[in-house]
Amino acid sequence: AQSVTQLDSHVSVSEGTPVLLRCNYSSSYSPSLFWYVQHPNKGLQLLLKYTSAATLVKGINGFEAEFKKSETSFHLTKPSAHMSDAAEYFCVVSDGGDDKIIFGKGTRLHILP
Amino acid sequence: SQTIHQWPATLVQPVGSPLSLECTVEGTSNPNLYWYRQAAGRGLQLLFYSVGIGQISSEVPQNLSASRPQDRQFILSSKKLLLSDSGFYLCAWSVRTGQQETQYFGPGTRLLVL
Repeated sequence: AQSVTQLDSHVSVSEGTPVLLRCNYSSSYSPSLFWYVQHPNKGLQLLLKYTSAATLVKGINGFEAEFKKSETSFHLTKPSAHMSDAAEYFCVVSDGGDDKIIFGKGTRLHILP
Repeated sequence: SQTIHQWPATLVQPVGSPLSLECTVEGTSNPNLYWYRQAAGRGLQLLFYSVGIGQISSEVPQNLSASRPQDRQFILSSKKLLLSDSGFYLCAWSVRTGQQETQYFGPGTRLLVL
């Protein structure tokens, strides 16, 4: 069975400092992994996805994530936070060949001036 | 507490048949409602969202339609299914508190069109 755990419900960083949002997963097969962002009053937006190609995945808005099979992790990072990054972030796992997707509970990112 | 229901959980339909997926929310009023689809190997795609009864916005042109006959009911429909409609459909609701909006997802419906 597949599952995904976002380790922090809230993360606060100062503008200009690095961002780390943690995600661990479990999957019986080769998973596809995604990070989504939701800004207030908007739908989900795909940041990046991993589908068994390069383990370091670059996404939009300067975000990237590294797939580490040995650690079953897919943490999201950004070198320098911007005020516009304040939002809720979801880590999502999907088993290969299975359309069903599992959402993490989300991490709300706060950016301090 | 709030809960969101979707049914059916799994559906197998022939090409050309109609579709109706239902989503209901309990424990909140006047939520924003969303329909998403994930096709195999692809990311989540926003299909429709609604900010109130009878108010539907469509994000992408497609074979599907949505309706909101009641405040906490959101229905996804098609008159004639295509093979490409196969996928995993998620309903979500959100409520805004101050500057923050939090989105909650239903359990999803897996649709296979043959």
